[in-house]
Amino acid sequence: EAQVTQNPRYLITVTGKKLTVTCSQNMNHEYMSWYRQDPGLGLRQIYYSMNVEVTDKGDVPEGYKVSRKEKRNFPLILESPSPNQTSLYFCASSDGTVPYEQYFGPGTRLTVT
Amino acid sequence: RKEVEQDPGPFNVPEGATVAFNCTYSNSASQSFFWYRQDCRKEPKLLMSVYSSGNEDGRFTAQLNRASQYISLLIRDSKLSDSATYLCVVFSGGYNKLIFGAGTRLAVHP
Repeated sequence: EAQVTQNPRYLITVTGKKLTVTCSQNMNHEYMSWYRQDPGLGLRQIYYSMNVEVTDKGDVPEGYKVSRKEKRNFPLILESPSPNQTSLYFCASSDGTVPYEQYFGPGTRLTVT
Repeated sequence: RKEVEQDPGPFNVPEGATVAFNCTYSNSASQSFFWYRQDCRKEPKLLMSVYSSGNEDGRFTAQLNRASQYISLLIRDSKLSDSATYLCVVFSGGYNKLIFGAGTRLAVHP
């Protein structure tokens, strides 16, 4: 089954404790991206990647890191989480380098206390 | 001003009603347009693309007015299962990314 998976689905952590949210897709897509969704603000792009070893900042990259060492994986790293990073996070992928139709993972609900 | 603006709703309508959502975008160079659907606490999924000539998919009709920078989605004969948040999405080629509106919530009641 074609899908995007994220782990963990739910995470409660404390300020400053490094964490990684994994994202994996099995569709051989080149384009992958991370979004956060907050009430009233919609989905905002954090980082995106057009291919292996090619990543770039989105609209809200501060406090986040990413890497793309393999085509299928695109982890999101929070080196020192803060409460303002409490949000719902989605990973997405799309065919080619143009993100017309994006396939989203199920989401990760992160709470930073 | 937000790049993509939508009325947040909620739109509360009875089954069988026709409901229309509107969306405006600020970047006149935007190239492609979409409606995504998002169920509560779930991931967004593509509902349909929006073409200048207008397009229809069953009970759903999407329209684009480039001159006014305006997109619409019409849902006819609403079903309970149509209850969701509808996201207006614009592709900005210059930035190679999708820009999402905050969404319009629809609640269809019996």
